[in-house]
Amino acid sequence: GAVVSQHPSRVICKSGTSVKIECRSLDFQATTMFWYRQFPKQSLMLMATSNEGSKATYEQGVEKDKFLINHASLTLSTLTVTSAHPEDSSFYICSARDRQGVNEKLFFGSGTQLSVL
Amino acid sequence: DAKTTQPNSMESNEEEPVHLPCNHSTISGTDYIHWYRQLPSQGPEYVIHGLTSNVNNRMASLAIAEDRKSSTLILHRATLRDAAVYYCILKSSSGNTGKLIFGQGTTLQVKP
Repeated sequence: GAVVSQHPSRVICKSGTSVKIECRSLDFQATTMFWYRQFPKQSLMLMATSNEGSKATYEQGVEKDKFLINHASLTLSTLTVTSAHPEDSSFYICSARDRQGVNEKLFFGSGTQLSVL
Repeated sequence: DAKTTQPNSMESNEEEPVHLPCNHSTISGTDYIHWYRQLPSQGPEYVIHGLTSNVNNRMASLAIAEDRKSSTLILHRATLRDAAVYYCILKSSSGNTGKLIFGQGTTLQVKP
């Protein structure tokens, strides 16, 4: 099946620094990728939809200047958490759709655990 | 997006079948029923999806009620590796952006 690689799997950073998370579709082209965040014992919350070659679409309440998304190629989307603070500590997960269609499934990365000190 | 309702948690014994229910009374005619599961500390993985007819694949079966207001994910023989959070999600085929909106899901515990 299709594989989505997410890197790094875990990152610890100091407050005020920026962190970049990469999401790659390894064996298919992903025109659309999605970014989620998940707090402990909670469900996934959709942050934004990343479209190749265009601006990302952010969900209500998600700061676009805080969470920068770049989808410069059909196999790579990046999420940059700018000026990270402890409240940004969370599990970040990306996903990608592998073809157009009404019932296509999503493939998910293995997630990035971000801890901001 | 139409809402789904699932029990918070369920328990099963290893090697026994598991039936995970999902209610979606406000489902529309263009909504597909998708199931994903999330193992601890991992991203979700696709399990199965359907529209009206029951579906089978190597992972599970999906039984859809005739009125489509509920569905059941069936794991025929639970193993310890099936312990996960199972999400039932409705995905519209109209104006489809492809995104999935996750509810709280059902946490399945499998006892040896």
